[in-house]
Amino acid sequence: GQNIDQPTEMTATEGAIVQINCTYQTSGFNGLFWYQQHAGEAPTFLSYNVLDGLEEKGRFSSFLSRSKGYSYLLLKELQMKDSASYLCAVPSSGGSYIPTFGRGTSLIVHP
Amino acid sequence: DTAVSQTPKYLVTQMGNDKSIKCEQNLGHDTMYWYKQDSKKFLKIMFSYNNKELIINETVPNRFSPKSPDKAHLNLHINSLELGDSAVYFCASSHRGQGTTGELFFGEGSRLTVL
Repeated sequence: GQNIDQPTEMTATEGAIVQINCTYQTSGFNGLFWYQQHAGEAPTFLSYNVLDGLEEKGRFSSFLSRSKGYSYLLLKELQMKDSASYLCAVPSSGGSYIPTFGRGTSLIVHP
Repeated sequence: DTAVSQTPKYLVTQMGNDKSIKCEQNLGHDTMYWYKQDSKKFLKIMFSYNNKELIINETVPNRFSPKSPDKAHLNLHINSLELGDSAVYFCASSHRGQGTTGELFFGEGSRLTVL
């Protein structure tokens, strides 16, 4: 099985940088996803990491350390519209490759 | 064009009724899923289906059954609805293969309220 842990809620100020952490335990690693979900909407894909290191995509970056079972999502130059839930997800092993989600981190950006 | 569409978007019904939620994807993906998101926003897998196999989360009651008439559709049928079934149900699809990440594309969600 898989176990995914991330903070429940974080707050930050507009224009600042915030780091959302995710730790995971899985019997076989097939990569790690980050999704963004605004209130009342569907989750949307942000990033995918399968190798160690930092993947940068505009204001958002995602980091992975497979040996530590750890990832983080880094959001720079925060904007009010970044207020959302951020979901860490890990595909299952054994061939089924079904993404299992953490409980999500609710990020509140205030002026 | 909507990539993953599900209907209805809202569904209010009485306990004990049977209801269905439909899902269609026009992305040519080979795998479709149903997820349940409860009031605490926890997104939990219910089913995964491609043209080869159906994988059922063992915690899902057998009142829930997926039906796939073809690769582009995965409908969710629920028998004898209970209060605890109230949630938002998300359909999703993905393509697994070399050179792909297998990211999920979600429908807009169907909010089910059982009274």
